[in-house]
Amino acid sequence: DVKVTQSSRYLVKRTGEKVFLECVQDMDHENMFWYRQDPGLGLRLIYFSYDVKMKEKGDIPEGYSVSREKKERFSLILESASTNQTSMYLCASSFPLVAYGYTFGSGTRLTVV
Amino acid sequence: QKEVEQNSGPLSVPEGAIASLNCTYSDRVSQSFFWYRQYSGKSPELIMSIYSNGDKEDGRFTAQLNKASQYVSLLIRDSQPSDSATYLCAVKNRDDKIIFGKGTRLHILP
Repeated sequence: DVKVTQSSRYLVKRTGEKVFLECVQDMDHENMFWYRQDPGLGLRLIYFSYDVKMKEKGDIPEGYSVSREKKERFSLILESASTNQTSMYLCASSFPLVAYGYTFGSGTRLTVV
Repeated sequence: QKEVEQNSGPLSVPEGAIASLNCTYSDRVSQSFFWYRQYSGKSPELIMSIYSNGDKEDGRFTAQLNKASQYVSLLIRDSQPSDSATYLCAVKNRDDKIIFGKGTRLHILP
């Protein structure tokens, strides 16, 4: 069964901490994405990557960075966590063809206190 | 601004009836269209994809696409309580990015 695995299901961090959210996929997908999902705002794209070492800003990149050193792993980094970054974070991946939808990980519910 | 619009609901449908979910999109060059189901507290799950005008059926689900009207719909026949979820319409363009609607909450009444 193909999978996108996010390292933590629930996470509680303190304001100012550096936070790492890890995502690993075993489907040999080139494309990987990080979204956050908040009530009433839907899914918002933070960063994406179409290849190793490559990254592109999405719609809301402020306060975040990413790393993609290997094809299967895409990490989201909160440089200095703030309370407004409390959210559900979703990683997704896909093949680089228009016909393919995304496969999502199970999500990380991050609470910043 | 490329957009995907959905009625937020909730849409309440009696068990056994047909649930009809609708979506419009703004970008005429959109090429692929998807429906995701998301249960509360869970991540979105792809349930249907459609690329050509017309209908596509998969079990109790039928996706309908009308590119001229920029309209996508999802029909769920013989609705079950387990179909209660939020349904996200999604549109993919040539840049390989998917634009998601905010979702329609569906509630199947037992």
